[in-house]
Amino acid sequence: QVQLVQSGAEVRKPGASVKVSCEASGYTFASYDINWVRQAPGQGLEWMGWMSPNSGDKGYAQKFQGRVTFTRNTSISTAYVEVSSLTSDDTAVYYCAKEGRGRNLDFWGQGTLVTVSS
Amino acid sequence: QSVLTQPPSVSGAPGQRVTISCTGSSSSIGAGYHVHWYQQLPGAAPKLLIYGNTNRPSGVPDRFSGSRSGTSASLAITGLQAEDEADYYCQSYDSSLSTVVFGGGTKLTVL
Repeated sequence: QVQLVQSGAEVRKPGASVKVSCEASGYTFASYDINWVRQAPGQGLEWMGWMSPNSGDKGYAQKFQGRVTFTRNTSISTAYVEVSSLTSDDTAVYYCAKEGRGRNLDFWGQGTLVTVSS
Repeated sequence: QSVLTQPPSVSGAPGQRVTISCTGSSSSIGAGYHVHWYQQLPGAAPKLLIYGNTNRPSGVPDRFSGSRSGTSASLAITGLQAEDEADYYCQSYDSSLSTVVFGGGTKLTVL
């Protein structure tokens, strides 16, 4: 069965960076794009961007360009998102999601809470 | 402000039917891009509920159905159950923004 397992909760100070991992299993990792979505406390879903594990091609929502980086390690079927210059507005649960046909997100990780606090 | 507009909340009694609307524009739903729906139970990750406007993934009860017309889409839930109490999000693509877009979410309360 398809599973996306994310790394554990993180606490960072303002101005620092954080890197969250997403390990995929149960399907061919290289064959489907990974999307990243975040959700601030009590708020809705916010799309951050996508990455092709096969080619390394990626796209970022304009809001995150220059401050967010997607990478992957195909040998261990793992995708990563790194967010730099953190502020309290980046406090959120970060989700990775496998993209199915038609740009739907058919399987999601369990989420990683990132807390930014001084 | 979300690109796709949903009502903040809807409610219904057990056994009733409710609908949740999702309004986009000529560059998103109106351009023919598929609409997908997600259910997010309290404290859990979102789960795909409807894909490609009208299709249910394996395991999703047929009480859930989706439709699309013009620049809008709808999620209908019949035979409401207490376990349906959750947040529901629509999602599509916007060609003018070149991004995936979500609705702001609708909280369903089962009375």
